[in-house]
Amino acid sequence: QKEVEQNSGPLSVPEGAIASLNCTYSDRGSQSFFWYRQYSGKSPELIMFIYSNGDKEDGRFTAQLNKASQYVSLLIRDSQPSDSATYLCAVENMRFGAGTRLTVKP
Amino acid sequence: KAGVTQTPRYLIKTRGQQVTLSCSPISGHRSVSWYQQTPGQGLQFLFEYFSETQRNKGNFPGRFSGRQFSNSRSEMNVSTLELGDSALYLCASSSGLNNSPLHFGNGTRLTVT
Repeated sequence: QKEVEQNSGPLSVPEGAIASLNCTYSDRGSQSFFWYRQYSGKSPELIMFIYSNGDKEDGRFTAQLNKASQYVSLLIRDSQPSDSATYLCAVENMRFGAGTRLTVKP
Repeated sequence: KAGVTQTPRYLIKTRGQQVTLSCSPISGHRSVSWYQQTPGQGLQFLFEYFSETQRNKGNFPGRFSGRQFSNSRSEMNVSTLELGDSALYLCASSSGLNNSPLHFGNGTRLTVT
């Protein structure tokens, strides 16, 4: 079992829809969780981080953490074509998922 | 504020050689982490340096080493290069506080022939 698992996708959603990205992790003691976005040919950039159970909202993005179930998710509301990228889930910045490729179609 | 700077951007080396990559963090950041990114393995953590000391280490062989200087700049060295070392090497800096977010550089693309 991989330490951090993500659906590799590709995930395709129409413009304006909600994109839901999921991530599960194996180390129950993990404390910090990050979502990074990586455009093709570019470096990852931080989207959100979450440390506590529950939801954290920032603009169109919501991160959700459930430590008991060991999953973290990222919701993107009102998806835009510019959101098309690979989204990386990171646990304590040392364990990364393989990434989910998101395509938002106009 | 200048971002994370990595040099060089591209490198071509021959199997068996060694290589040194450089990373200058964002001003004020004390932590520098290194990652290897390949299509097959994704983003893998190499090591993290904080205040000139290695604080965390991933599961890479001893051929991969690093160091950090007093000005927080960091270098990564790979000795006895193998074909499988061809990858994008990313450096990221952070404040160094526990669980702080990473700021990535543009990476060094290493090709081993």
